[in-house]
Amino acid sequence: QSALTQPASVSGSPGQSITISCTGTSSDVGGYNYVSWYQQHSGKAPKLMIYDVSTRPSGVSNRFSGSKSGNTASLTISGLQAEDEADYYCSSYASSSTRVFGTGTKVTVL
Amino acid sequence: QVHLVESGGGVVQPGRSLRLSCAASGFTFWSFGMHWVRQAPGKGLEGVAVIWSDGSNEYYGDSVKGRFTISRDNSKNTLYLHMNSLRAEDTAVYYCARDGGPGYSGYGLDYWGQGTLVTVSS
Repeated sequence: QSALTQPASVSGSPGQSITISCTGTSSDVGGYNYVSWYQQHSGKAPKLMIYDVSTRPSGVSNRFSGSKSGNTASLTISGLQAEDEADYYCSSYASSSTRVFGTGTKVTVL
Repeated sequence: QVHLVESGGGVVQPGRSLRLSCAASGFTFWSFGMHWVRQAPGKGLEGVAVIWSDGSNEYYGDSVKGRFTISRDNSKNTLYLHMNSLRAEDTAVYYCARDGGPGYSGYGLDYWGQGTLVTVSS
């Protein structure tokens, strides 16, 4: 159960688009279309932003989108806003296991 | 309105035990898998344990296997985490989270509690 690999930090200016990668293995990310993404503001509980690779829960802005290719999933935030500044974690289903989480990415809005 | 409220955290000495609870409301508790996820101070999220909606299966993270036990009481809408042989590295905020499905598939964790802090220290 090794953590999925994410970049430690990503930054962008307001209005720009940024992409966060999440790399796993064929036993997790690559083996299932069950990748989720969570947003966590400082001191708060995580919030589900994307599930099943690319599905947005009700109420989540369409500026957030997800995709996957092979063992790597990605989260794209378009039209970056100040409120998007937070930590982001990917997560994947793995058979007969707890969810595997990514190492986390700090998003900074310049 | 879905509500998850954790309790039972606190300061405990290494080697001792602690039981966390998560009171659920606003949904049919017995229809959903449930998770415990923890976050050490300044660190990332770590999946601790998951239990299926009917309690028939449970899985654990490697770092807690053999020491922690997840359980649920569907008649009381409550999730538990029994933690034994606690170590300093178990210090973390522990969140309970609802699975978007019964637990045996890969739905996202769609609702989270606010967490309860466990500190293991002598």
